[in-house]
Amino acid sequence: DARVTQTPRHKVTEMGQEVTMRCQPILGHNTVFWYRQTMMQGLELLAYFRNRAPLDDSGMPKDRFSAEMPDATLATLKIQPSEPRDSAVYFCASGLVLNREAHEQYFGPGTRLTVT
Amino acid sequence: RKEVEQDPGPFNVPEGATVAFNCTYSNSASQSFFWYRQDCRKEPKLLMSVYSSGNEDGRFTAQLNRASQYISLLIRDSKLSDSATYLCVVNRDTGRRALTFGSGTRLQVQP
Repeated sequence: DARVTQTPRHKVTEMGQEVTMRCQPILGHNTVFWYRQTMMQGLELLAYFRNRAPLDDSGMPKDRFSAEMPDATLATLKIQPSEPRDSAVYFCASGLVLNREAHEQYFGPGTRLTVT
Repeated sequence: RKEVEQDPGPFNVPEGATVAFNCTYSNSASQSFFWYRQDCRKEPKLLMSVYSSGNEDGRFTAQLNRASQYISLLIRDSKLSDSATYLCVVNRDTGRRALTFGSGTRLQVQP
């Protein structure tokens, strides 16, 4: 049963610290997404990659957030320095796009981040 | 106006009831449509895709009206286990900001 995995599942850190979240997409999927979910804002798209190339990261605060895909099996989202307002659940999702037709996305279990 | 709008609810219905959710989207270039379900403190999970001709999966029926730019989800014979938040998703694969989730409609099925 293929699934998206994310680590860590929970992270508590102090303001100013660096946070790195990792995601392993489903094998064979060519698109990876990073989302953030809070009660106030709902689910927001931060960035996404197609075939490891960044397609859109306009939802991400550029000064502190960075997203990369060093290889097809690993996507990372980094926050440096972290702030209390970054506290949220961060989801990674992967999917398949063929001939510009998007198929379903599959979400990982999320990383619950608390910045104190 | 939000790109995807949903009534947040909550919809409180008794077991066995039929309930319908609507979702409107603003961009006529939208190409793919989905309904996701999210349980409390869990990740969103795909419930069903929405096709132009409408589609049914057991007790769930999804409809798309491109002319009016809305999507609907009908749940028949509601079960307690249907209690969740239902997210409408609109996907236009034209590059930037291609993926948009609605804020969700919460359903509570009561015994």
